[in-house]
Amino acid sequence: AQSVTQLGSHVSVSEGALVLLRCNYSSSVPPYLFWYVQYPNQGLQLLLKYTTGATLVKGINGFEAEFKKSETSFHLTKPSAHMSDAAEYFCAVRATNYGQNFVFGPGTRLSVLP
Amino acid sequence: DGGITQSPKYLFRKEGQNVTLSCEQNLNHDAMYWYRQDPGQGLRLIYYSQIVNDFQKGDIAEGYSVSREKKESFPLTVTSAQKNPTAFYLCASSKLAGGLNGELFFGEGSRLTVL
Repeated sequence: AQSVTQLGSHVSVSEGALVLLRCNYSSSVPPYLFWYVQYPNQGLQLLLKYTTGATLVKGINGFEAEFKKSETSFHLTKPSAHMSDAAEYFCAVRATNYGQNFVFGPGTRLSVLP
Repeated sequence: DGGITQSPKYLFRKEGQNVTLSCEQNLNHDAMYWYRQDPGQGLRLIYYSQIVNDFQKGDIAEGYSVSREKKESFPLTVTSAQKNPTAFYLCASSKLAGGLNGELFFGEGSRLTVL
């Protein structure tokens, strides 16, 4: 079975500070990994994804994430937070033997303080 | 522009009533999904469909029903049997061709409130 954990349901950073949102997964087979962002009362938008190849993945809005197989992690980072980054972030996993289904983490709400 | 359209955006329902949420996509995607979102619980899969006239239950299908008569459409009915239907509902789609690395594309969501 697959599962996704996101450490910290709420993270606050100052504008211009480093953003680090943590994601750990469990999967018995190599996973495909995704980060999504959700603004209030809206759908989810893909930030970035890891499938195969380079383990450091760059996404939109200056975000990036690194797949670390030994740590079963896929943490999301951004060097300098902007007020517009305030949103909820979801990590998701899709295992290669799990058909068409995705498993989502519980989400982390990011607040950016002026 | 291609995308997923959900309607209505907001819906109020009295207890005991069925309600149907619409989801239409023009991305030519084969697979479509319905998720339920509650605060602090992430997204939970209700139903999904990989092909027309076929669909499978997800983790929380009880009290819900779906149909897939057209590739573009995947409506969700919240029945009176659903004990706690107040939630934010998200429709999504993905490609089947090209392997499992395709991501989900989401609609803007429908917020259902039971009075």
